[in-house]
Amino acid sequence: QKEVEQDPGPLSVPEGAIVSLNCTYSNSAFQYFMWYRQYSRKGPELLMYTYSSGNKEDGRFTAQVDKSSKYISLFIRDSQPSDSATYLCAMSYRGSQGNLIFGKGTKLSVKP
Amino acid sequence: DSGVTQTPKHLITATGQRVTLRCSPRSGDLSVYWYQQSLDQGLQFLIQYYNGEERAKGNILERFSAQQFPDLHSELNLSSLELGDSALYFCASSVDRERSNEQFFGPGTRLTVL
Repeated sequence: QKEVEQDPGPLSVPEGAIVSLNCTYSNSAFQYFMWYRQYSRKGPELLMYTYSSGNKEDGRFTAQVDKSSKYISLFIRDSQPSDSATYLCAMSYRGSQGNLIFGKGTKLSVKP
Repeated sequence: DSGVTQTPKHLITATGQRVTLRCSPRSGDLSVYWYQQSLDQGLQFLIQYYNGEERAKGNILERFSAQQFPDLHSELNLSSLELGDSALYFCASSVDRERSNEQFFGPGTRLTVL
């Protein structure tokens, strides 16, 4: 079993839809959870960063962490064609010195 | 634009050759991380440097090595290249060890080994 599992998609939604992206993980030591957005042929861009369990909101984006279920989510409200990208979850534990463990990414397409 | 720069953008070389990838971190960032991204393996951590010293190693092959210089730029050296080394190589940087999880990625170097 891989440490971090992420459905690769592709996921196609109409403009304005609410998008839900998810990752599961097996290592209960993970405490830091990140979401990155990667446009084609570009480097990953940090979207959301959360520590431990709970929710975090930033504009149209909401990140949720449920450590009891080892499950994290990213919600995108009012999705736009410009949100079309690959979304990568990443995790690390205290003392990992920044060694991020990434999911393989979910490719999202938002249709006008 | 993250502020992290990488050169070259593209590199095409032959098996058995050696190449050097270069990364300049964001101004003020002391930590540099190298990652490899391939279609089958996804994004994988290779190695981290902090203020010139190696801090953490991931899935880095013995044929690969890296260093961070006094001006904080970093180089990743790949030698005895194999077809399977073809991938995107990313550099990332962060401010310090306490904020090592907030990493900012460069645009990457696409390596093709023929």
